[in-house]
Amino acid sequence: QKEVEQNSGPLSVPEGAIASLNCTYSDRGSQSFFWYRQYSGKSPELIMSIYSNGDKEDGRFTAQLNKASQYVSLLIRDSQPSDSATYLCAPSRSNDYKLSFGAGTTVTVRA
Amino acid sequence: EAQVTQNPRYLITVTGKKLTVTCSQNMNHEYMSWYRQDPGLGLRQIYYSMNVEVTDKGDVPEGYKVSRKEKRNFPLILESPSPNQTSLYFCASSLFPAGDTQYFGPGTRLTVL
Repeated sequence: QKEVEQNSGPLSVPEGAIASLNCTYSDRGSQSFFWYRQYSGKSPELIMSIYSNGDKEDGRFTAQLNKASQYVSLLIRDSQPSDSATYLCAPSRSNDYKLSFGAGTTVTVRA
Repeated sequence: EAQVTQNPRYLITVTGKKLTVTCSQNMNHEYMSWYRQDPGLGLRQIYYSMNVEVTDKGDVPEGYKVSRKEKRNFPLILESPSPNQTSLYFCASSLFPAGDTQYFGPGTRLTVL
């Protein structure tokens, strides 16, 4: 059983729409939650982190966390072609040395 | 400029020929790790290091070795590469362990024939 599950995609959205990405995790001890963006052929880069239940907004990105449901999501509002990438979810325990990533969801924003 | 560097960026080799992929960071990070990325499987952790001379296995350590003799360097060693190690490899570092932002190197695409 996978530790981190993401909607498999690919997810195609029109420009200006909202892209919704989902991630569930199995480790109830996870305390820190990260979303990384990876452009094709490039390395992952952090776009959002969230540590408490609720919503966290950063520009056009909103992360939502529900620890009881073991669920974290990422919303991309007003999607732009530059948002076309693979998004990786990474929950972790703050005091742990191992890090697990989801397989990623590929988003394509069509003009 | 704060960065993680990897070399080589691309490598084609043959089965059994020992190789080393270097990784270096200039951010004075204590935590470093290696990942491989394969289609449909995402990033999988190979080895990690908590500090100099302290390393441990990740999820897929078979066929790999690492060492951490200096804080800035964390080389990945494939002593006898096999075709199933053909993959895209990333080195990453962070100030603290897993619960912290990971800074990734540019990646090394390895092909083992």
